[in-house]
Amino acid sequence: SQKIEQNSEALNIQEGKTATLTCNYTNYSPAYLQWYRQDPGRGPVFLLLIRENEKEKRKERLKVTFDTTLKQSLFHITASQPADSATYLCALDTGGFKTIFGAGTRLFVKA
Amino acid sequence: SAVISQKPSRDICQRGTSLTIQCQVDSQVTMMFWYRQQPGQSLTLIATANQGSEATYESGFVIDKFPISRPNLTFSTLTVSNMSPEDSSIYLCSVESPRGAADEQFFGPGTRLTVL
Repeated sequence: SQKIEQNSEALNIQEGKTATLTCNYTNYSPAYLQWYRQDPGRGPVFLLLIRENEKEKRKERLKVTFDTTLKQSLFHITASQPADSATYLCALDTGGFKTIFGAGTRLFVKA
Repeated sequence: SAVISQKPSRDICQRGTSLTIQCQVDSQVTMMFWYRQQPGQSLTLIATANQGSEATYESGFVIDKFPISRPNLTFSTLTVSNMSPEDSSIYLCSVESPRGAADEQFFGPGTRLTVL
């Protein structure tokens, strides 16, 4: 079955730097891959979707890449701010309407 | 977008009892999803609920333990039955985009359940 791996260790970076989070999957390439943000005590909030035929997607300070050869997506936050501190989840479609989620990577941005 | 509310936001329950969680959406949606998220873990899909039909459960989840209702296109309930401490978790309701495009999901704030 499809598995998603995200770095379980928290990422600590300085304000203004670029944060890069990694999502690896183990089996077939999904039709699309999503990134969500989750704050403590809240449900995930959708950020970006990238399709299998897209190499890169941008939205404001966010950039997502999708490498189907490496079976990997990278999520970048440029000019990071303390308000970007949260857990970021990677999610893949499994066909139909089902989505599976990674455990997420916690990001801390220090002022 | 879709705005989702859940009730209760949290509860502490005794072993052997049941809790029903409500999910209300501000727009009509075909599919609603119920997830469980244990501390430090990923979201695990419990079941998919379509209006007018029985819910479809994922492996490891059964209707007797997690009965679901979907009486209309804006509302669903999930019951956690005969609870044990292992059921302590956050339960999240989710819907697909009201546009019908299966490209993003909207989540409720979650219900934090503690079973003693």
